[in-house]
Amino acid sequence: SQQGEEDPQALSIQEGENATMNCSYKTSINNLQWYRQNSGRGLVHLILIRSNEREKHSGRLRVTLDTSKKSSSLLITASRAADTASYFCATAYSGYSTLTFGKGTMLLVSP
Amino acid sequence: KAGVTQTPRYLIKTRGQQVTLSCSPISGHRSVSWYQQTPGQGLQFLFEYFSETQRNKGNFPGRFSGRQFSNSRSEMNVSTLELGDSALYLCASSLGSGGPNYGYTFGSGTRLTVV
Repeated sequence: SQQGEEDPQALSIQEGENATMNCSYKTSINNLQWYRQNSGRGLVHLILIRSNEREKHSGRLRVTLDTSKKSSSLLITASRAADTASYFCATAYSGYSTLTFGKGTMLLVSP
Repeated sequence: KAGVTQTPRYLIKTRGQQVTLSCSPISGHRSVSWYQQTPGQGLQFLFEYFSETQRNKGNFPGRFSGRQFSNSRSEMNVSTLELGDSALYLCASSLGSGGPNYGYTFGSGTRLTVV
C-alpha cells in the first residue's frame, strides 16, 4: 500500500501546549497535504507543501517536509480545545492524479 | 461561494439493495473524487472524475460505479449492498486538471448504513 502513516495514532494534551504529528510515506511525491476532520464530518484542507519546499507556516500551523526521509510533521502551537479533531496527511504521488490518505492522528485538547 | 454539497446526509438500506449518492462540486471545479471512510480501513479512494471522464479508479469491486455530468455534478452507485459497505462516503472537488496540485474541498459526506 502507498498509504501514508501518521504517528502517533492518538495524542492527548492540555490547552496551550504544542501538538506535533508525524507522517511517513513511501515513494516520490509532488506534494503533501494536511487535513482536519471533526467528528465524522468532511475533511478540511489545512496546508499544502510541495516537494521542493522544506517548511511552511499558516497561522498556528507549521509543516515541515523531509523528502530524503520521506516524512513530514505538523506542529500546532498553543493548542485550543477547538483543535480537537483527527488530522490526516495526504500525499500526491508523482504520476497519480489522486490523493492517498493516511489513517490519521486523533488529537484531544483538554481545557 | 457554495461548498461541496452531498446528498443525502444519511441513508439506511437493506442488504441486496442499491443506492445512489450525489455530489455537487464547488462552482468552477471540474475534478471530483470519491472516498469511502471506515474505522478499520480509513479513507479509501473510490474514483476520480474530470470533465465527465473517469481518470482513476480505486481497488473496489464492480458493484461500485460512478459518473460525472456535464455540469460537473457526480453520482456514485453501489449495487447489491453488503453490510461491509456501511461507511461515510466523502466527495471532494478540486480545481485544475493536473491532479491534486491544489487542496481538495470536501463535502460533509453521506453516512450509509446497511442493515
